[in-house]
Amino acid sequence: DQQVKQNSPSLSVQEGRISILNCDYTNSMFDYFLWYKKYPAEGPTFLISISSIKDKNEDGRFTVFLNKSAKHLSLHIVPSQPGDSAVYFCAASEHPSNYQLIWGAGTKLIIKP
Amino acid sequence: EAGVTQFPSHSVIEKGQTVTLRCDPISGHDNLYWYRRVMGKEIKFLLHFVKESKQDESGMPNNRFLAERTGGTYSTLKVQPAELEDSGVYFCASSQVFGMVGSYEQYFGPGTRLTVT
Repeated sequence: DQQVKQNSPSLSVQEGRISILNCDYTNSMFDYFLWYKKYPAEGPTFLISISSIKDKNEDGRFTVFLNKSAKHLSLHIVPSQPGDSAVYFCAASEHPSNYQLIWGAGTKLIIKP
Repeated sequence: EAGVTQFPSHSVIEKGQTVTLRCDPISGHDNLYWYRRVMGKEIKFLLHFVKESKQDESGMPNNRFLAERTGGTYSTLKVQPAELEDSGVYFCASSQVFGMVGSYEQYFGPGTRLTVT
């Protein structure tokens, strides 16, 4: 049973527009959420995180929104750039110090010039 | 600062053979993790070391998998004997000591792609 779901395997967005990547989870005990970005032949790279006590966290062009009642989070990238083309993974844990991350299957983001 | 390194980058072996994957974490990182991603699916946790001790090995699929971290530096993951379903990309990650600023962030290596034929 997959506890973290990324239902869109891929997403194509025009350069300069907003990219919105979605993630749903089923475990109500999850308290800490992360987004990782992965280029081909490389390992995932940490992008941004959010604790359940917040509903928004922003870092430059990247913003993560958390809706606990809906068990849904999203990553917004504005404006989208060609270098943003990558696979984005959503991950969750029951506490920031809980090292066992539960991952989604990833969404491949393609930024069109 | 050197990142997490993994060796080999790619390994092709026959069913029944043995393979050993190696991970060198970032210097000073006490926490080391192994993950696996089967083609197109989610990344799954395998185990977590704190220094040389196994903190959590609940994700190890079966006793054909053996992970070690002698001396608390590099780690090896041995698969013996390998089966077809073991194919995938094995990632290693490391993080700092719990409690330090930024310690929750896990830094990943490039992965080892294992193909069992």
